[in-house]
Amino acid sequence: QSALTQPASVSGSPGQSITISCTGTSSDVGYYNYVSWYQQHPGKAPKLMIYEVSNRPSGVSNRFSGSKSGNTASLTISGLQAEDEADYYCNSFATNGARVFGGGTKLTVL
Amino acid sequence: EVQLVESGGGLVKPGGSLRLSCEASGFVFNSHSMNWVRQAPGKGLEWVSSISSSSSAIYSADSVKGRFTISRDNAKNSLYLQMNSLRVEDTALYYCARGSMGTLDIWGQGTMVTVSS
Repeated sequence: QSALTQPASVSGSPGQSITISCTGTSSDVGYYNYVSWYQQHPGKAPKLMIYEVSNRPSGVSNRFSGSKSGNTASLTISGLQAEDEADYYCNSFATNGARVFGGGTKLTVL
Repeated sequence: EVQLVESGGGLVKPGGSLRLSCEASGFVFNSHSMNWVRQAPGKGLEWVSSISSSSSAIYSADSVKGRFTISRDNAKNSLYLQMNSLRVEDTALYYCARGSMGTLDIWGQGTMVTVSS
């Protein structure tokens, strides 16, 4: 159960777009469309932002979008805002019934 | 209001045991799979264990297999994590989260477990 691979950090200026990648294997990200993304502000619980690769829960801004190609999923945030600054984690269901998280990406809004 | 409230964390010595609880409210508890996820201080999220709505399917991370046991009591709207043979590296904030497969949609605020001599 190896962690999914995410960049440790990304940054962007207000109004810009950024993309965070999440690379797994053919036993998790590449096998199922069960990739989700979570936003976590310091001292807070994680919040679901994207589920099943590209679906947004009610109440999540349409500036957040998800996609997948092969063993790599991506989260794109468009029109960056100051409040988007947080840690972001991807998660995938795996063929052995386990779930695996990425190592997390710290987003800095410059 | 949909809510998950964890309890039972604390300070325990290496080799000791602890039982975490998570009380659910605001939704039909027995219709949902449930999970435990932990986060060591300053580190990322780590999935710990999952249990199906009827307890028929249980999965656990290799790091806790044989030491931690997830269970639930649908009559009490409660989820549990029995943690035995605790190690220093089990020190973390333990979250209870609702969801199955691709989605962990509701999270509690967490309960802190510290393993130290």
